[in-house]
Amino acid sequence: NAGVTQTPKFQVLKTGQSMTLQCAQDMNHNSMYWYRQDPGMGLRLIYYSASEGTTDKGEVPNGYNVSRLNKREFSLRLESAAPSQTSVYFCASSPTGVGKAFFGQGTRLTVV
Amino acid sequence: AQKVTQVQTEISVVEKEDVTLDCVYETRDTTYYLFWYKQPPSGELVFLIRRNSFDEQNEISGRYSWNFQKSTSSFNFTITASQVVDSAVYFCALSFVGGGADGLTFGKGTHLIIQP
Repeated sequence: NAGVTQTPKFQVLKTGQSMTLQCAQDMNHNSMYWYRQDPGMGLRLIYYSASEGTTDKGEVPNGYNVSRLNKREFSLRLESAAPSQTSVYFCASSPTGVGKAFFGQGTRLTVV
Repeated sequence: AQKVTQVQTEISVVEKEDVTLDCVYETRDTTYYLFWYKQPPSGELVFLIRRNSFDEQNEISGRYSWNFQKSTSSFNFTITASQVVDSAVYFCALSFVGGGADGLTFGKGTHLIIQP
């Protein structure tokens, strides 16, 4: 009964370092999403993927890249981390483009 | 562009009081979904409700109720007889129907504090 699994849960990076946040879902959902949550800002969409092999920019895509590796996995990459990318990152999946979204537990990323 | 405004940033009430969280949205779409999510102190996001833009019936689930008024673009959430366990950040969100996956547009959240 895993649902949406994100790794890692916590990460500290130095400015300029790169890393990939991993996300996997076991619900056979077509749509997957990456959001970031900042204090007082709610959640903002970084990238989404409507189906395997497709990805599209959301509201705040700058500084990020994504890969929809297969139907289950959707990764988010920071090529050169900046302090402005300090945030909590949530991965989500949905059975359709507008259905109920299921969220992972979040990754708390700090860039120093 | 879509926008969701949660009127209250923070609300503090004493346990057993009723409390209403307000949500106002803007969209040019005629068909859309509205959502409420709860984020307890542990940090996960818990789905509470989804409402289709064509369905203006109010919804009640236990102590929770939702009032959707298309005429005022509002989707308000009421907790009756609040409990300490209701303390959380609550998010209202908006999506649209069709055209592929665009995700959700979230409000900035209302931090609800229930004092014993």
